[in-house]
Parts: sequence; structure tokens; C-alpha cells
Amino acid sequence: RKEVEQDPGPFNVPEGATVAFNCTYSNSASQSFFWYRQDCRKEPKLLMSVYSSGNEDGRFTAQLNRASQYISLLIRDSKLSDSATYLCVVTGGSYIPTFGRGTSLIVHP
Amino acid sequence: GAVVSQHPSWVICKSGTSVKIECRSLDFQATTMFWYRQFPKQSLMLMATSNEGSKATYEQGVEKDKFLINHASLTLSTLTVTSAHPEDSSFYICSARVLAGSETDTQYFGPGTRLTVL
Repeated sequence: RKEVEQDPGPFNVPEGATVAFNCTYSNSASQSFFWYRQDCRKEPKLLMSVYSSGNEDGRFTAQLNRASQYISLLIRDSKLSDSATYLCVVTGGSYIPTFGRGTSLIVHP
Repeated sequence: GAVVSQHPSWVICKSGTSVKIECRSLDFQATTMFWYRQFPKQSLMLMATSNEGSKATYEQGVEKDKFLINHASLTLSTLTVTSAHPEDSSFYICSARVLAGSETDTQYFGPGTRLTVL
């Protein structure tokens, strides 16, 4: 089982749609969780950290479920500019980050 | 957020030559920097963890004699691909960890270096 797993997609949605991604992790001792966004041929950029209580940033909501060992990202009112690959990142006590393979999102008009 | 730069942004070289890539944290000090490699349509693969003033820790399968890492200061880490071959062609990305205590533990990525070995 991979340490961090994501559905690669692609998720193909119309503008204005709500879309959700899940990410599961295998190490129950994982401590920090993040969502990054990566555009084609660019470096990943931090989208948001994921806190135990869940957190929201505009149209983006991230949640953590430690019991089931997964994190989620919800995007409301999708924009064309949201098209990208979304990477789930999990770190443990040593802070060595582990990346998921990413979920591809395509928002079409 | 914190800014990380990489230089060069792209490089084309002949097989057998060595290529040095620089990673700098511009507005913060980074005790830890990470080097990744990403092949097309694949995830980032961690190559090594670079700690200032000490030897880098390499991931399994990464040749330390081929990928030389130097982290001489709190703002600069370098990756040298020695005797590069076409199979080393990839997108190399560094990231820097913000000093613990100054912010939540987060890493910021450089813009990447696209290496093509002919």
C-alpha cells in the first residue's frame, strides 16, 4: 500500500460545480497535512494546510479525519483557473514529506 | 509566503558533463532543504534532505556520488548532477522548510530546473 494515495482523475467538471478530492495516508503517526496545487510544468504551490478542526479559505475547504486516515479538499463554485493537479502532502515526526501522485482537475466552460 | 529561487530555470547539456543547480531561500533562513525530481505525469520523488552544515540524507536508490548536495549556508543549497546522462533529464525542484517556530511547519518550493541531457 502506498503511503499517500490519491485518485489521479482527471476530474472533468463544468464551471460553477463543486468538486471534492480525497487522499488517504497509511502512517497513523503522521502529523502535518497539506494540499498543494501544481500547474503544468510548474512547481507546486501551497494551497492550504489541513488542521484537525478543518479549515476554509474562500471557496476551498479542507478536512482531516485521523480515525479513517484521510484528508479531503472541497472546491466550491469551480473556476476555469482552478484547473491544475492537486497534491496531497503528509509529513511525519521527522518532517520528511510524502507526496501523493496528485489529482488532476479540469474545469471546462 | 516565503520565496525560494532556483537557478538555472532550464539547462541543456551534453552527456557526460556536470550540472549545478542552486536553491536559495530569499527572505528566510532554511535549516532544511529538500531536493525532488519529477518525471512527466508522475509525482514528485524526494531525492534527498539537505541540512545546513551536515551531510545530506539520500533516499533509497539515489546515488549520492552522482547527485552531490552541498548546504553551506542557511539560505543556499546546491545540487550537482555529475556525469549527466539522458536518463537524468527531468524536472528538479527544491523546497525549503521554514524554521520551526517562526511559522507552522511548511515547505516552499523553488520554480524548478528543467534539465535536458543530450
